Order: sequence, then C-alpha cells, then structure tokens
Amino acid sequence: GENVEQHPSTLSVQEGDSAVIKCTYSDSASNYFPWYKQELGKRPQLIIDIRSNVGEKKDQRIAVTLNKTAKHFSLHITETQPEDSAVYFCAASGSNNAGNMLTFGGGTRLMVKP
Amino acid sequence: GAVVSQHPSWVICKSGTSVKIECRSLDFQATTMFWYRQFPKQSLMLMATSNEGSKATYEQGVEKDKFLINHASLTLSTLTVTSAHPEDSSFYICSAPTSGQGGETQYFGPGTRLLVL
Repeated sequence: GENVEQHPSTLSVQEGDSAVIKCTYSDSASNYFPWYKQELGKRPQLIIDIRSNVGEKKDQRIAVTLNKTAKHFSLHITETQPEDSAVYFCAASGSNNAGNMLTFGGGTRLMVKP
Repeated sequence: GAVVSQHPSWVICKSGTSVKIECRSLDFQATTMFWYRQFPKQSLMLMATSNEGSKATYEQGVEKDKFLINHASLTLSTLTVTSAHPEDSSFYICSAPTSGQGGETQYFGPGTRLLVL
C-alpha cells in the first residue's frame, strides 16, 4: 500500500518568514495530493491540493509543488502569520475497493513566532 | 466546502460501554465515508471505509467486531465502539468525498473525542 513520509515533524519560524514542509510517497499510481491544516482539537481543513497533471499550484500565500518523477511534493507558506500556527498534514490518494482513499503523512507542527 | 457533521462531539463512558458515533453529509450524498482515529500528537489513521448498502472495508489490525460500521443511507454512517476500554480513548473523525462515490476531495467531520474510564 501507499506510504507517505513527512518532514520536518516540527517547524518554528519567525513571523513574516517562509515555511516549507516536504512529503514523499511510495505509490507511483497516486495522483491526488491534498494538504490539511488542523488546529488543536478541531477537524482537518483542506487548504490546498494538487493533481498529478500539474506541477505547481498557488493560492495567495500558499503554494504546493509536485515532482512525480521523484515522488515528492511540498507545501510552501510565505509571509507566515501567527494564525498559521497549526499541524499540517500531507496526504496521497491511493485506491481501494471503495474508491480513492487518503494516506496521511505524520504531520508537521508549525509554530510562527510573533 | 461540503459540510460533514458528527455527533456527539465528545463522550465520557465507563469501561465496557458501547458508544455510537454518527457521521452525516449535510449537503451532498456519500456512498462512501471514511473513519479515522487520531491519538494525541499523532496523524490520522484510517480505520475503515464505510460503504452504503454493503459491508465496510477494514484496515489491517482494526477489529471489525469491535468497531461496527453501518452505512444505512446516502447521508449517514455510524461507528459503534463495542465494549469500550481505556485504550480505545481517542479522537474519532469521519470524512466523506464530495463526489459521493469515493472520489478524491474529502471533507472531515468535527470529530468525536472519546474518553473511556
């Protein structure tokens, strides 16, 4: 099955700096890669996603890049703000009998210092 | 985004009690829903895939007789933790794909925090 590795597990940046989180996956058939933000005690919220026919996608301060050959994808947050502090999860879409399922990375705890 | 609700939001129960958690898609139909468990400071681990009108598909290591899943309608899936024990204490979250049929974009319910004493 799919295996997703995420690094770093914790990341501390100064407000205004950029943050980069990287993930690798094992299943070359995976074709959908979402990123979720989870605040303490709350549900994961989809913040951006990318499909395998695209190499890069941007939404305001957030961007995601995908390298299918190397099987890795990254989340880039620019001009970080304290409210960006949360746990971020990457995921890759595999498949099972019921359709596509997500395999999550281990998560990155991002702390933005004011 | 699509709306997924979950009830109850938190449960405290005695060991040996069975607990039912409901997951509803409020503005779309979902023939497939996913159930995850999340321990403190850990990632989301898929427990099972709930299929409307048929048996759930369980991940390796998840006891199907302990975690009963029923997907009786296109908008409701339930997870019952039978004879709960303290080690079952966790954050249980469901998700549903917006295509309704195991498509890609998934939206999560708010989660149910279970504490077994």
